[in-house]
Amino acid sequence: KAGVTQTPRYLIKTRGQQVTLSCSPISGHRSVSWYQQTPGQGLQFLFEYFSETQRNKGNFPGRFSGRQFSNSRSEMNVSTLELGDSALYLCASSLAGGANTGELFFGEGSRLTVL
Amino acid sequence: AQSVTQLDSQVPVFEEAPVELRCNYSSSVSVYLFWYVQYPNQGLQLLLKYLSGSTLVKGINGFEAEFNKSQTSFHLRKPSVHISDTAEYFCASRGGGSYIPTFGRGTSLIVHP
Repeated sequence: KAGVTQTPRYLIKTRGQQVTLSCSPISGHRSVSWYQQTPGQGLQFLFEYFSETQRNKGNFPGRFSGRQFSNSRSEMNVSTLELGDSALYLCASSLAGGANTGELFFGEGSRLTVL
Repeated sequence: AQSVTQLDSQVPVFEEAPVELRCNYSSSVSVYLFWYVQYPNQGLQLLLKYLSGSTLVKGINGFEAEFNKSQTSFHLRKPSVHISDTAEYFCASRGGGSYIPTFGRGTSLIVHP
């Protein structure tokens, strides 16, 4: 069974640019969550999508957005990049509904560096 | 809202010594608890989970954790660590009707030869 796939693994952008990150969940998983990981803040929850709808949202500015497609693949976008957006962005998928214990299956992450 | 506290940001230990990584969670009527491990430049992977039943939970790589409801703790233990256990460890809880688990800040386990 293929795991969670994130692309790209590494990318470098400059301030003011925008970036789009992609995540393909495990087959059959309908919930996709995104996290930002930085040394100072740890794991911060960005948002969660289920059946193409944003179901939960963390405390991030509107520059951070996401979407989910009908095949459960998800993308997140960060516009007007700032230096502080440099981080490892992690995608995680999980089962949904009554089977959802909250166990997450993570991808390897996309490491974004903003110069 | 749930909160998870990992009491140690860094734990150094010598190879073959025992280790305990501490985790406390905020109380909830029902709670699911997890420990994840993150190796350098990788995502997180599940070590073990407590959903219900026996309070002693065994996971992969020889790790185990004990759910203690009265102390709202879920400490992770291993009787003898290996160099390859060097990694970041995250405790997480899900409860209170939320689908989203709350993560602790992480504990860096450093195993010295």
